[in-house]
Amino acid sequence: RKEVEQDPGPFNVPEGATVAFNCTYSNSASQSFFWYRQDCRKEPKLLMSVYSSGNEDGRFTAQLNRASQYISLLFRDSKLSDSATYLCVVRDRGSTLGRLYFGRGTQLTVWP
Amino acid sequence: ETGVTQSPTHLIKTRGQQVTLRCSSQSGHNTVSWYQQALGQGPQFIFQYYREDENGRGNFPPRFSGLQFPNYSSELNVNALELDDSALYLCASSLPLGGRVGTGELFFGEGSRLTVL
Repeated sequence: RKEVEQDPGPFNVPEGATVAFNCTYSNSASQSFFWYRQDCRKEPKLLMSVYSSGNEDGRFTAQLNRASQYISLLFRDSKLSDSATYLCVVRDRGSTLGRLYFGRGTQLTVWP
Repeated sequence: ETGVTQSPTHLIKTRGQQVTLRCSSQSGHNTVSWYQQALGQGPQFIFQYYREDENGRGNFPPRFSGLQFPNYSSELNVNALELDDSALYLCASSLPLGGRVGTGELFFGEGSRLTVL
């Protein structure tokens, strides 16, 4: 079983839509959680960290449910520039700093 | 721009050959990690180097090896290339332990795209 599972999509939404992505992780000892964004043929970049109490960053809201081992990302008012692949990422407790577990990513296309 | 540079950006090899990929980390970052990203998949952790020592390894065979130099730049070497080694190889650097550890952010280079024929 993979450490991090995501629906690969693709998701195709119109500008202005609200989009929600989910992922699950298998290791209950996981400690840190992130969403990364990856544009086509480019490197992943941190979008936001996910905190236990949930957190917002502009149009983006991230939620963590430790009991269900479930992470979500919601963003409002989608823009064309949001088109990318969104990677759910986990770091296990006691794991080295550079060792992250990535989901396969969810592909999003926002159309005019 | 993350300040992490990788070379070469693209290369083509044949089965059985060997390849060396290079990475210069962001200034002040003494931890470098290498990832393999196959088409349609998320990045998979290969190993990490901290102050020239390997201190974490993923589920990759010994023919994947690495080095970190005193200036914290790094190399990834792959011997006896197989077709399944075709992928984007990403190098990531991070702040020193005890720095902004709480963010957990890795800074990735643009990657080296390897094709094995």
